[in-house]
Amino acid sequence: NAGVMQNPRHLVRRRGQEARLRCSPMKGHSHVYWYRQLPEEGLKFMVYLQKENIIDESGMPKERFSAEFPKEGPSILRIQQVVRGDSAAYFCASSPPGQGAKETQYFGPGTRLLVL
Amino acid sequence: KQEVTQIPAALSVPEGENLVLNCSFTDSAIYNLQWFRQDPGKGLTSLLLIQSSQREQTSGRLNASLDKSSGRSTLYIAASQPGDSATYLCAVRPGANNLFFGTGTRLTVIP
Repeated sequence: NAGVMQNPRHLVRRRGQEARLRCSPMKGHSHVYWYRQLPEEGLKFMVYLQKENIIDESGMPKERFSAEFPKEGPSILRIQQVVRGDSAAYFCASSPPGQGAKETQYFGPGTRLLVL
Repeated sequence: KQEVTQIPAALSVPEGENLVLNCSFTDSAIYNLQWFRQDPGKGLTSLLLIQSSQREQTSGRLNASLDKSSGRSTLYIAASQPGDSATYLCAVRPGANNLFFGTGTRLTVIP
């Protein structure tokens, strides 16, 4: 059973471009979480999605950031008009349907975004 | 607002020593607490998950304890090895939606 997969692993963008980060959860997992780790800081929650639904986006910046988890295919975190401050490691985690808060979250290897 | 603090921020020990990493959190209303390991440039590996009703969990040379009322957890590593060198992250789960992470303790085990 493959783990959580994220691609690309590294992404370089110039200011003003768009960044699209993909996350494929573990097989059988229907819950996806996105976290951001800024340099020298801890991981911060961004958004929690289930298939076709955003459940909690309280950690998402109000502008330029969006996330989706379609019925088919990976979850996508999209950052429009990137700025240097968006440079960070973006981690995706997944968990199976079941006991909600009692379930372990399994993390992917992350996408390291560098904005020039 | 939940805040998670990990002390020390960095720790160096000689191989073979036992060590304790500390984690404290400000809001005791949590479902569980999880310890992770993060290697440079890599993702997070879950080490131990302690539900709020539990006091401790053990896996091999690792033992994690939880004192929810005082907002504290410790991760005990026995007989440390150079391969244990990594950043150790503590995270609490206040609800179904997300984890609150500490900033981690960077451990170096010297051969």
